[in-house]
Amino acid sequence: SQTIHQWPATLVQPVGSPLSLECTVEGTSNPNLYWYRQAAGRGLQLLFYSVGIGQISSEVPQNLSDSRPHDRQFILCSKKLLLSDSGFYLCAWSGQGLDTGELFFGEGSRLTVL
Amino acid sequence: GQNIDQPTEMTATEGAIVQINCTYQTSGFNGLFWYQQHAGEAPTFLSYNVLDGLEEKGRFSSFLSRSKGYSYLLLKELQMKDSASYLCAVKDSNYQLIWGAGTKLIIKP
Repeated sequence: SQTIHQWPATLVQPVGSPLSLECTVEGTSNPNLYWYRQAAGRGLQLLFYSVGIGQISSEVPQNLSDSRPHDRQFILCSKKLLLSDSGFYLCAWSGQGLDTGELFFGEGSRLTVL
Repeated sequence: GQNIDQPTEMTATEGAIVQINCTYQTSGFNGLFWYQQHAGEAPTFLSYNVLDGLEEKGRFSSFLSRSKGYSYLLLKELQMKDSASYLCAVKDSNYQLIWGAGTKLIIKP
């Protein structure tokens, strides 16, 4: 069966510090991978998505960057965090092809920037 | 622009029935999803509609009318564990998901 895991679950970082969130998927190959951010009372905001190794599309140009070093690994980074980067970050995967495209989410990472 | 509208919060009684509405205006349509999200947790998939009509899955049902840009999620025999946020999302012409802000459902004994 397929599983998705992201870490860390919770982190508190000062403004200007770096960030690295990691996500791995097991039990499937060549998944579509996504990074979302969820602010309180807001809908899920798509940050990045990848349809293959090295293929990254950015939906929201910010001080965040992404990489996909392996087929089932997705990393979200920042060199200098802003207060506005606080939120609940979710990694997700879906299968390839024009199926329902149901998303399977990781546990989430709650980031507080002080 | 693209927009998904759903009520911010609803309250219902344990054992009752509740209907959560979702209206959408998107560039194209390739399916509508409902997800459940408990506080502090990730969303989990509930249902998918791409054709008009009602899809039933146990205590949960989802309805779609593409001509009206409208869907609803119907929850029957409410249980305390159904207290959660319910997210409506539409897949647009580019197969990208557009998300609503979610409806927080509060269940009272």
